[in-house]
Amino acid sequence: NAGVTQTPKFQVLKTGQSMTLQCAQDMNHNSMYWYRQDPGMGLRLIYYSASEGTTDKGEVPNGYNVSRLNKREFSLRLESAAPSQTSVYFCASSEGAVGQETQYFGPGTRLLVL
Amino acid sequence: AQSVTQLGSHVSVSEGALVLLRCNYSSSVPPYLFWYVQYPNQGLQLLLKYTSAATLVKGINGFEAEFKKSETSFHLTKPSAHMSDAAEYFCAVRAQTGANNLFFGTGTRLTVIP
Repeated sequence: NAGVTQTPKFQVLKTGQSMTLQCAQDMNHNSMYWYRQDPGMGLRLIYYSASEGTTDKGEVPNGYNVSRLNKREFSLRLESAAPSQTSVYFCASSEGAVGQETQYFGPGTRLLVL
Repeated sequence: AQSVTQLGSHVSVSEGALVLLRCNYSSSVPPYLFWYVQYPNQGLQLLLKYTSAATLVKGINGFEAEFKKSETSFHLTKPSAHMSDAAEYFCAVRAQTGANNLFFGTGTRLTVIP
């Protein structure tokens, strides 16, 4: 059981380049999330997917798009990277729509935009 | 709106001393509250969660937290710090509506002095 996996672990981009961050979970969870972590700000929700085929914006969605490819996979795309998107990105998953559920996090992707 | 405030971005304790990490929440309804731990270069791992079943919640690695409605607090404690407890700790509250995402505090970095 790998849990939540993310690729790549680290990426350097130039301003204006695009890239896709990949996330997969093997726990048969319905809900998946993308957060970004910035120093002194905790984690903030970018997008989420409550179930396969649905996605919705979180707190900080500007500059990002997402795709829930199937129940296992939830990708995050930066179409035109900006230095303000330098951050650590975490994918998480949970079983469904019950608030007390545990969210399981991947190891993160460190992104540097020059 | 849900939010949590963590008092103290850095806490240092001696090995064997009491660990106390503070978290206050804001919620108009009974909250679901969580403590996560993040070791260097890793994702977040659940320590414990409050789901209204009991006000004193025991978690992994000897940590516990007490929900105090009158003080809107959910402080994390451990009787005796170990070197391996050095990490960053995040308090979080579940969103009330929409996504079941978590709103995180800004984190407290715990240093354990030998």
